[in-house]
Amino acid sequence: DAGVIQSPRHEVTEMGQEVTLRCKPISGHDYLFWYRQTMMRGLELLIYFNNNVPIDDSGMPEDRFSAKMPNASFSTLKIQPSEPRDSAVYFCASRGGRGSGSYNEQFFGPGTRLTVL
Amino acid sequence: RKEVEQDPGPFNVPEGATVAFNCTYSNSASQSFFWYRQDCRKEPKLLMSVYSSGNEDGRFTAQLNRASQYISLLIRDSKLSDSATYLCVVKYSGAGSYQLTFGKGTKLSVIP
Repeated sequence: DAGVIQSPRHEVTEMGQEVTLRCKPISGHDYLFWYRQTMMRGLELLIYFNNNVPIDDSGMPEDRFSAKMPNASFSTLKIQPSEPRDSAVYFCASRGGRGSGSYNEQFFGPGTRLTVL
Repeated sequence: RKEVEQDPGPFNVPEGATVAFNCTYSNSASQSFFWYRQDCRKEPKLLMSVYSSGNEDGRFTAQLNRASQYISLLIRDSKLSDSATYLCVVKYSGAGSYQLTFGKGTKLSVIP
């Protein structure tokens, strides 16, 4: 299995621009998570999906952030408009459901390093 | 209030040393506990789960004290390849929601 795939790996944009981050979870995994990691705040959960349905988005910082999961193999995290304080590494992770061998382990993608100038 | 607290380090230890990391968590309803490892500029990866009775995986030993809400990781005979940041992770479940809460990590540097 290729693991969790994220794109782009690096993104540099200017304040006010729209940014779209993409994620392909591991095939067969029921859960998908979006995290943000900064030096100051560490790794924070933004939102997670179960069977393509958003379950908990309480970590989404504000309305500028939105996430979708149109099907089991694809999710996006969008920031519009972007601000310098959004600069961080954004990780996508997935895991299996109950009864799967990976219920307790989240598998992370390589992350997208976002810089907003 | 931070839910999972760790000493950020860095811990600089010589090869072959034994090093211990500690972690405390604030939610007594926490259900499961883990240690993840994150190499520089890489993604976090599961190192080991932490069981109530304590568990060992080679040179790594994890302990849990539910009464004190305290988790530890012991690394014996440190190797250069152990250099990484170690994240303490707590799982909460309830009200239909599931999530892992990560500590900010403890950085370990093993020096020759």
